[in-house]
Amino acid sequence: GAVVSQHPSRVICKSGTSVKIECRSLDFQATTMFWYRQFPKQSLMLMATSNEGSKATYEQGVEKDKFLINHASLTLSTLTVTSAHPEDSSFYICSASGLTSYNEQFFGPGTRLTVL
Amino acid sequence: ELKVEQNPLFLSMQEGKNYTIYCNYSTTSDRLYWYRQDPGKSLESLFVLLSNGAVKQEGRLMASLDTKARLSTLHITAAVHDLSATYFCAARSNDYKLSFGAGTTVTVRA
Repeated sequence: GAVVSQHPSRVICKSGTSVKIECRSLDFQATTMFWYRQFPKQSLMLMATSNEGSKATYEQGVEKDKFLINHASLTLSTLTVTSAHPEDSSFYICSASGLTSYNEQFFGPGTRLTVL
Repeated sequence: ELKVEQNPLFLSMQEGKNYTIYCNYSTTSDRLYWYRQDPGKSLESLFVLLSNGAVKQEGRLMASLDTKARLSTLHITAAVHDLSATYFCAARSNDYKLSFGAGTTVTVRA
């Protein structure tokens, strides 16, 4: 099956700093990548959708200036949490899809962000 | 907007007995997914259901889809401890986005 990786798996940062999370599709071309956020004991909430070479589309209520998404290649998307605050602490999961994956989403292993 | 309701939210199972998790979705969807999530981990894909009447089985888990009722069920047969996890259903909308249910936290006790 298609493999999606995320880096880092865990990150701890101080309040006010920025953190970048990478999402890579290892064995297929991902024309679309999705970023989700999951708070403890809650479901996954879609934050944004990014298409390779285009600006990301953000879901209602998600601040695009705070969560910067770049999808510059068919195998890499990045999420940068700018000026992170403790309330941004969460589990961030990406998924990737493309024509070669029949538009199915394959999920990465997630990144645990803790903001002190 | 595609909304997904899942119930129950919590399920305490006794080993050896059978249980069902229900997943309703609000509007037309072309695919229904079931995932398993262990604590601290990401999603593990269990089933993808494409058409009305679809039934898929893997081990003690069986999923079915009724598109007319907009209902999917995940049936667990003879529960065992290894099945303790959180189970999510998700429906896919025309723009390929997934809408997730709230999740069902399953605990299997002896």
